Amino acid sequence: GDSVTQMEGPVTLSEEAFLTINCTYTATGYPSLFWYVQYPGEGLQLLLKATKADDKGSNKGFEATYRKETTSFHLEKGSVQVSDSAVYFCALSGLGSTGFQKLVFGTGTRLLVSP
Amino acid sequence: GAGVSQSPRYKVAKRGQDVALRCDPISGHVSLFWYQQALGQGPEFLTYFQNEAQLDKSGLPSDRFFAERPEGSVSTLKIQRTQQEDSAVYLCASSPESGRNQPQHFGDGTRLSIL
Repeated sequence: GDSVTQMEGPVTLSEEAFLTINCTYTATGYPSLFWYVQYPGEGLQLLLKATKADDKGSNKGFEATYRKETTSFHLEKGSVQVSDSAVYFCALSGLGSTGFQKLVFGTGTRLLVSP
Repeated sequence: GAGVSQSPRYKVAKRGQDVALRCDPISGHVSLFWYQQALGQGPEFLTYFQNEAQLDKSGLPSDRFFAERPEGSVSTLKIQRTQQEDSAVYLCASSPESGRNQPQHFGDGTRLSIL
């Protein structure tokens, strides 16, 4: 079945450092790919998405490119801030049993940014 | 606000009790999803509604779990005879349609603790 693998955390960085969180996936067909972020005590928020190969999703300085050849969707940011501290989830839209699109999530990567 | 609303935010129950968790999706959203998020894990799909029709319940862990959306808006997830392994955060999400490119909008979740 469909699955998503993320690098384990926590990822600990100093402010203004470069961030990469790795994500690879296994899927049948052509899923859309998403990054969601979960701040402490809050629900999941969509950060960015890409719907087809070579698409780049971007938002709030974060970027990720849909790489079909390597089945990857790595999240990057050039300069992190303390306020970016959160848990980041990579997800794909996979087919449910009746053809609808359900999300399949990775286990999440906690990011801790210190001043 | 106009987001997905879940209640209660926290629920503590004794093993063997029944619980009911409520989800108010974004107005007009056709699709509604329930996910279960265990501690330190990514959300896992439970069930999906398109309007009032429950099109997939393949993720429900046992027949003690039951979900409904009788009028195609508010949904309730019910767990009967709760057990300790039911302790988790239950997330509700909605989207305008069920297409692969439709991002799901999540509520803040209900944290369920079974004693």
